Amino acid sequence: EDQVTQSPEALRLQEGESSSLNCSYTVSGLRGLFWYRQDPGKGPEFLFTLYSAGEEKEKERLKATLTKKESFLHITAPKPEDSATYLCAVALWGKFQFGAGTQVVVTP
Amino acid sequence: GAVVSQHPSWVICKSGTSVKIECRSLDFQATTMFWYRQFPKQSLMLMATSNEGSKATYEQGVEKDKFLINHASLTLSTLTVTSAHPEDSSFYICSARTSGNSYNEQFFGPGTRLTVL
Repeated sequence: EDQVTQSPEALRLQEGESSSLNCSYTVSGLRGLFWYRQDPGKGPEFLFTLYSAGEEKEKERLKATLTKKESFLHITAPKPEDSATYLCAVALWGKFQFGAGTQVVVTP
Repeated sequence: GAVVSQHPSWVICKSGTSVKIECRSLDFQATTMFWYRQFPKQSLMLMATSNEGSKATYEQGVEKDKFLINHASLTLSTLTVTSAHPEDSSFYICSARTSGNSYNEQFFGPGTRLTVL
């Protein structure tokens, strides 16, 4: 069965304290892994797309990496405005399957 | 670029009434749009996939007669919740994908909060 699992469920960080979020998947024929950020009461905001193992992408304090079984979202020196729920999704047969998300809270 | 809008952003209705939610891609043509619902502190659950000019494909367990989807143009899809009941209260989010590679990223609307009294 195709599955997408995110860990941890929640993460509380001090401002400046770097950390990583994990998205592991057990799917056959991955066609893309996507990271989104979602603020409360809003729709997900696109962050990154990764298509092949070894690929890395960066945007400001965020860096996403991909292996054959998992993806990491690294947050470097986070700021309070990085507080959000981070969702990963895998593309399967043209549809997305989402993980449950990691809720990140960054305190000053 | 790649902006998706939804209207209304929130709606409150009485049980038994129908509610229509619009999803528009503002600066690109979307051959495929998706409708999701999200319960508090849960992830997005795909309800249906909508292709322009054809019938929507519903996920298992989603009642097609209750959640009517129309994708009449390359920039507009609508979701109508018919005979809404309190259990239909949820956050409904649409997304749109540009034409071409079916594994391109989806761009999401801001969501519509539906409350059924």
